[in-house]
Amino acid sequence: RKEVEQDPGPFNVPEGATVAFNCTYSNSASQSFFWYRQDCRKEPKLLMSVYSSGNEDGRFTAQLNRASQYISLLIRDSKLSDSATYLCVGRGAAGNKLTFGGGTRVLVKP
Amino acid sequence: NAGVTQTPKFRVLKTGQSMTLLCAQDMNHEYMYWYRQDPGMGLRLIHYSVGEGTTAKGEVPDGYNVSRLKKQNFLLGLESAAPSQTSVYFCASRDWKDNEQFFGPGTRLTVL
Repeated sequence: RKEVEQDPGPFNVPEGATVAFNCTYSNSASQSFFWYRQDCRKEPKLLMSVYSSGNEDGRFTAQLNRASQYISLLIRDSKLSDSATYLCVGRGAAGNKLTFGGGTRVLVKP
Repeated sequence: NAGVTQTPKFRVLKTGQSMTLLCAQDMNHEYMYWYRQDPGMGLRLIHYSVGEGTTAKGEVPDGYNVSRLKKQNFLLGLESAAPSQTSVYFCASRDWKDNEQFFGPGTRLTVL
């Protein structure tokens, strides 16, 4: 079983709609979590960190549920430019390494 | 600042050939990483370094070697390339006290 698992999608989203997706992690020792965004044929870039209390950055909301071991990302008022692959990432207790999920592809259509 | 750069951007090798991928960062980061990305597999860590002169194995180290002789550079070597090493290779770096990893633009390697 992969340490971080994601639904690969694609999630086809009408422009202006809300989309949400989760990722699950198996290592309960994982300390920190992040969402990275990766555009087609480009490098990943940090979108936001994920906190247990939940955090919001503009139209993006991330949530961590430690009891059920999943992380969620919600995108409100989707824009065409939100089309990308979203990578769920966990960091272990040692802190040196990140573990990446396979990514969830989101396609926002007019 | 250029951030993280990778050389070359593209390369085609024949089975058995060797090559070195170069990663350079100008942010004075202690930590550097080499990943490979394959369809459906996500990013997998090959090797990493927590400082100049140190290296450690990641999730998929077999067939690769690395060196970190200078803080700003992290080299990934393939001694005898195999078709299974066809992939996109990303280098990343981060400061020891920060969470964010900064990635280079990637190297697309094809082994025939």
